[in-house]
Amino acid sequence: DAGITQSPRHKVTETGTPVTLRCHQTENHRYMYWYRQDPGHGLRLIHYSYGVKDTDKGEVSDGYSVSRSKTEDFLLTLESATSSQTSVYFCAISGSQGTYGYTFGSGTRLTVV
Amino acid sequence: GENVEQHPSTLSVQEGDSAVIKCTYSDSASNYFPWYKQELGKGPQLIIDIRSNVGEKKDQRIAVTLNKTAKHFSLHITETQPEDSAVYFCAAGYGGSQGNLIFGKGTKLSVKP
Repeated sequence: DAGITQSPRHKVTETGTPVTLRCHQTENHRYMYWYRQDPGHGLRLIHYSYGVKDTDKGEVSDGYSVSRSKTEDFLLTLESATSSQTSVYFCAISGSQGTYGYTFGSGTRLTVV
Repeated sequence: GENVEQHPSTLSVQEGDSAVIKCTYSDSASNYFPWYKQELGKGPQLIIDIRSNVGEKKDQRIAVTLNKTAKHFSLHITETQPEDSAVYFCAAGYGGSQGNLIFGKGTKLSVKP
């Protein structure tokens, strides 16, 4: 999607290894979000950021950490990957917290073996 | 916190027929209701949204209606086409520190030629 890119698009990793996913935006939006998508669960919020170095937890934050050192980059880290973290991860950006639509990235498919 | 229920989880229609997807929300403070379409292998894309000061909004073949009293809103797609086949998500939100969008679990729409 224009203005937001996720990397990598696909990744296979082993249980217990650390993994970092990157979200990069060129829209200068204040809010950035990380979601995971699993069958039967829809989109679940992991963490979000409301500014540089300002982050907060979502509903499924256990096992994940985030960092935002620049407006344009929001990193999601799995400190020690587990098979339950196999999922598709989406980053989203917004100029407002809940009163305007989000723009989603194309997703990262992560497989933990 | 906000809770969004979406029905049905799957919907199959013949090309040319109409499709209706319904969502209910729990938090009366919610005032923004977007709908997203997700095609296979892609991120969700905003297709239409409505705010609480409006009861209905149309954009070509799609329309959204909102009933604030009953706390439900619906997506209507008329004259469905095969390219409408996708997963559709509703969401609800409002501004402020707790106002992140909350998503329904999605509806898989299949349009048969």
